[in-house]
This record gives sequence, structure tokens and C-alpha cells, in this order.
Amino acid sequence: EVHLVESGGGLVQPGGSLRLSCAASGFNFNSYSMNWVRQAPGKGLEWVSYISSSSISLYYADSVKGRFTVSRDNAQNSLYLHMHSLRLDDVAVYFCARAAGPTVPETIDYWGQGTLVTVSS
Amino acid sequence: EIVLTQSPATLSLSPGERATLSCRASQTISSHLAWYQQRPGQAPRLLIYDASNRATGIPARFSGSWSGTDFTLTISSLEPEDFAVYYCQQRHNWPLTFGQGTRLGIK
Repeated sequence: EVHLVESGGGLVQPGGSLRLSCAASGFNFNSYSMNWVRQAPGKGLEWVSYISSSSISLYYADSVKGRFTVSRDNAQNSLYLHMHSLRLDDVAVYFCARAAGPTVPETIDYWGQGTLVTVSS
Repeated sequence: EIVLTQSPATLSLSPGERATLSCRASQTISSHLAWYQQRPGQAPRLLIYDASNRATGIPARFSGSWSGTDFTLTISSLEPEDFAVYYCQQRHNWPLTFGQGTRLGIK
């Protein structure tokens, strides 16, 4: 069974940094591309970032480009999101999400339960 | 960026009724559209991919169709657990984009 567990969320001041992690299990992590998707409180879904299985291809939403960096460690079955220069509008639950197949872009087929990032002074 | 417009924003129906949810793309996206269900406090769940294919384990009462840039999710007979928020999402181009959601509530 596919299992994605995010961690690392919390309270940070505006301008601060945070690193989110996602632990993957139940599938061959190194064969799948991954995404981060976020959801502001009471709002809809917003795609944030994509990383291919080998980390060669990276894509970002314009809203986070230059501030967020996605990475992965296939040996540790882990996905990361390094967030810098955090703003009030970055407040959201951040979901780790698996791409369903090899096409680019691809449907998201599995999601973690999310981790909440709060930006406040 | 491809904009997806969902309608209606809110839909109130009773168990056993048929639900029809719509999603319109701002440009041609072929069949590259998925539907997700999100219950309160839960992660989204994939229902339909590539416009009309049910994901693994999804009941047959869920179906998807499309014509041009108009996509439809149909729930043939609503069960109590189907009352949730539904999102469409396109994978035709970067960035991936989602519709704003349709909230399906109990009448």
C-alpha cells in the first residue's frame, strides 16, 4: 500500500525558512516523480513543485519560484521541500503527492495527509 | 496558465439522487483531466484520470466524460460518503492547475 507521510511543518516568522519532508513507502520510490501541492485554510488546491524520479527535471509554480527548492533522496525514500523567504500567503497545508506514471506532466494518484505551515509574527 | 472553471460552486442533493459536476478548461487540454474528491480533514483522493478512466478502487457510480473543453463528473446515485468537495485538475501543461472546487452538500 502506498504511504506518504509529511513532516516538518510548524510556525515560522515572515522571511523565515522551513524544510518539509515526506517519507514514502509501499512502492518503488526511485521510479516515480513526485509533487508538492498546498491548500490554504478553507481554500482550494494549488500545485507547488515537481521533481522527476532522477531529480533531473524540476518545475515550480511562479508563486514560489526562487524561494522554494524541491529535492529527493532515493536511498532514503524521501522527498523534501526547502522553503525560504516565507510570506503570509504561504500559510497552507502542504501535501506530498505521487505522479501516477512516466508522462510529463502526469496525474497525481496518491497524496499524503499533509503538514501545516503557519507564517506569523 | 490553463484556467479550469468548475460549476456549480455548491450543489445540494439528497442521497440516491444523481449529481452532475462540470469543469471547463480555458483552452484545449485533450483528455488530460482528473477529478479528485476531498472529504473534510482528509487528503484528496483520485477518482477519474484522463477524463473518463476510473482510478483503482473507485465505485462504478462515478463516471467521467468530456467534449471539447467541457468535462463532466457524474455520480449516478449519491451515497452518504459522497458528500464532499470535488476538484478537477489538468495535466496538459505546466503549471498543473486545479479548478476552484464544487462543494456537494446534503439537501
